[in-house]
Amino acid sequence: ETGVTQSPTHLIKTRGQQVTLRCSSQSGHNTVSWYQQALGQGPQFIFQYYREEENGRGNFPPRFSGLQFPNYSSELNVNALELDDSALYLCASSPEGYGNTIYFGEGSWLTVV
Amino acid sequence: GNSVTQMEGPVTLSEEAFLTINCTYTATGYPSLFWYVQYPGEGLQLLLKATKADDKGSNKGFEATYRKETTSFHLEKGSVQVSDSAVYFCALSDRGSTLGRLYFGRGTQLTVWP
Repeated sequence: ETGVTQSPTHLIKTRGQQVTLRCSSQSGHNTVSWYQQALGQGPQFIFQYYREEENGRGNFPPRFSGLQFPNYSSELNVNALELDDSALYLCASSPEGYGNTIYFGEGSWLTVV
Repeated sequence: GNSVTQMEGPVTLSEEAFLTINCTYTATGYPSLFWYVQYPGEGLQLLLKATKADDKGSNKGFEATYRKETTSFHLEKGSVQVSDSAVYFCALSDRGSTLGRLYFGRGTQLTVWP
C-alpha cells in the first residue's frame, strides 16, 4: 500500500475520444509524475507537476496535458486518442527534494479501440 | 543522456536457485539507482535503492551494489521463491534532471518454478 490512488482502474475508449485519469498523491507529497507503460516495456516519463506547475516533460505530444490541484492531486488528460495510446498509466508521488523515495499507484489501464 | 540497459528476459529459475539480473546505466551526472518490481496486474513497488557509489541496497533477500567504475547495478538473490515471480525494472534518477524523474530499463520477466 503506497498511499497513491488512481482512478479509474480500467477503461476503454474509442479512437479520437478524450480521456481524463485521476491521481491522489500520498499525504504530504507535493510532486506528482505521470508515466506511460506500454505492454512489455518500461515506464516512460510523460510529465511532472510540482506545486501546481508543470516541472518537466518527456517526449510526448501536447495532446497529453495535466493539472495539479492545491491538495496536490492530479489529472492526466489525453485528447484525440490514438490506438498507440493503449497502455498502463502510472502516477507517482514524492516529497520535495532529490533522492526521496517515489511511490507509484497501481495504474489505470487504458485501451483505445 | 540518461538511459538504462537491462538484461533481456524472460528468466526462468527453479525455486532456491541463485538470481542475477544485469543492469548498466548511462547518466550525465551522479544518479541514484533503483530496482522496482511489478507483480502481475499491479503497479510498481520500490524494491531497493542506492544513492551513491559503493552503496549496497537490500530488501527481502535481494541486493544490488552501485558500481560507478562499471556503471552497473546488478540485482542478486541467493535463493529465489515462487513468490518472487514478477517483472523487475532497473531505473535511475539524475540529480540534474527534473525532480525525481525516473529513467527505466525495459524490464526483466522472472518466473520461478517450484
